[in-house]
Amino acid sequence: GAVVSQHPSWVICKSGTSVKIECRSLDFQATTMFWYRQFPKQSLMLMATSNEGSKATYEQGVEKDKFLINHASLTLSTLTVTSAHPEDSSFYICSARENSPLHFGNGTRLTVT
Amino acid sequence: DQQVKQNSPSLSVQEGRISILNCDYTNSMFDYFLWYKKYPAEGPTFLISISSIKDKNEDGRFTVFLNKSAKHLSLHIVPSQPGDSAVYFCAASGTNRDDKIIFGKGTRLHILP
Repeated sequence: GAVVSQHPSWVICKSGTSVKIECRSLDFQATTMFWYRQFPKQSLMLMATSNEGSKATYEQGVEKDKFLINHASLTLSTLTVTSAHPEDSSFYICSARENSPLHFGNGTRLTVT
Repeated sequence: DQQVKQNSPSLSVQEGRISILNCDYTNSMFDYFLWYKKYPAEGPTFLISISSIKDKNEDGRFTVFLNKSAKHLSLHIVPSQPGDSAVYFCAASGTNRDDKIIFGKGTRLHILP
């Protein structure tokens, strides 16, 4: 079945540094990928829709200069958290849809110290 | 404004009994509904879906019921097993491949021995 791979699964970084998270669709091409963020005991919040070959579409309240998304190929989207701050610490999850159900990566736990 | 609502943050059910998780939505444009299961520090796993042209979809121990007039759906798990203990997210979207999927806040299900 369709698999979405996300890397790294966890990362610790210092305030002010940038972190890149990769999301790959392993056995299908995804023109669109989605990036979600989950706070503890909260729902999955859609951050942005990543479109292959064009600019990402950000949800209201999500800073596009803070969360840079690049979807350079049909199987890879990257999310870069720039100048990370402790409040950016969260669980980031990417997803892609081959046909109907959305398939998720295993998420990346980001801790900013 | 929460478009997908799961009003029960948690639910405890005896092993072997039926677990019923409820979900309400407000957007009448939604026509595709999904349930996801999530363990801690992992990405959500797709469980079962239903389109608006149906009122019931069954897959093994999992059955989803949709009441469009009430804008309500429910997930039934029977019989409940210890491995079913997880957070369950209800989600809704349109049927186009690139439509956003909106998630509820989740219900934590505890299966009691």
